[in-house]
Amino acid sequence: GAVVSQHPSRVICKSGTSVKIECRSLDFQATTMFWYRQFPKKSLMLMATSNEGSKATYEQGVEKDKFLINHASLTLSTLTVTSAHPEDSSFYICSARDRAQRDGYTFGSGTRLTVV
Amino acid sequence: SQQGEEDPQALSIQEGENATMNCSYKTSINNLQWYRQNSGRGLVHLILIRSNEREKHSGRLRVTLDTSKKSSSLLITASRAADTASYFCATGEYGNQFYFGTGTSLTVIP
Repeated sequence: GAVVSQHPSRVICKSGTSVKIECRSLDFQATTMFWYRQFPKKSLMLMATSNEGSKATYEQGVEKDKFLINHASLTLSTLTVTSAHPEDSSFYICSARDRAQRDGYTFGSGTRLTVV
Repeated sequence: SQQGEEDPQALSIQEGENATMNCSYKTSINNLQWYRQNSGRGLVHLILIRSNEREKHSGRLRVTLDTSKKSSSLLITASRAADTASYFCATGEYGNQFYFGTGTSLTVIP
């Protein structure tokens, strides 16, 4: 089945630094990928839709200058958390859909970001 | 943004019992999906039910959809300890974006 690889799985960074999270579709091409954020004991929240070759579409309330998304190829989308603050600490998950599959999306294993 | 709401938020049952979780949503949908998440890991797709379907089965899973009530239920029969996880419903929209509910935390006691 379709596999989405997300890296790193865990990252700890200092306040003020930037962190890049990668999301790769390993055996399929994904023109669209999605980035979600999850707070402890909370639901997933869609942050943005990453579109290959064009600008990402951000959900209301998500700072596009804070969360930079780049979808430079059909198999890779990156999320960069810029000038990280402790409140950015969260679990970030990407997902993509193999259009050969009619059902469901494949999710990455997630990245746990801790900003100290 | 549209989000589903799962009910109950937490459920604790004995192994072998059935677990039922409900999901409500707000607007018209194309389909509704159920996902499972183990302790902060990535989500695993369980089952998708389309808006013109009323019931769907997959192994020990049974999903129903009532579009008139804008609700869905997930039944896990003969639960196992390994079923312990959080379960989310997600509604799909035309842009293929998905919005997730708050999740039901299921604990199956051996």
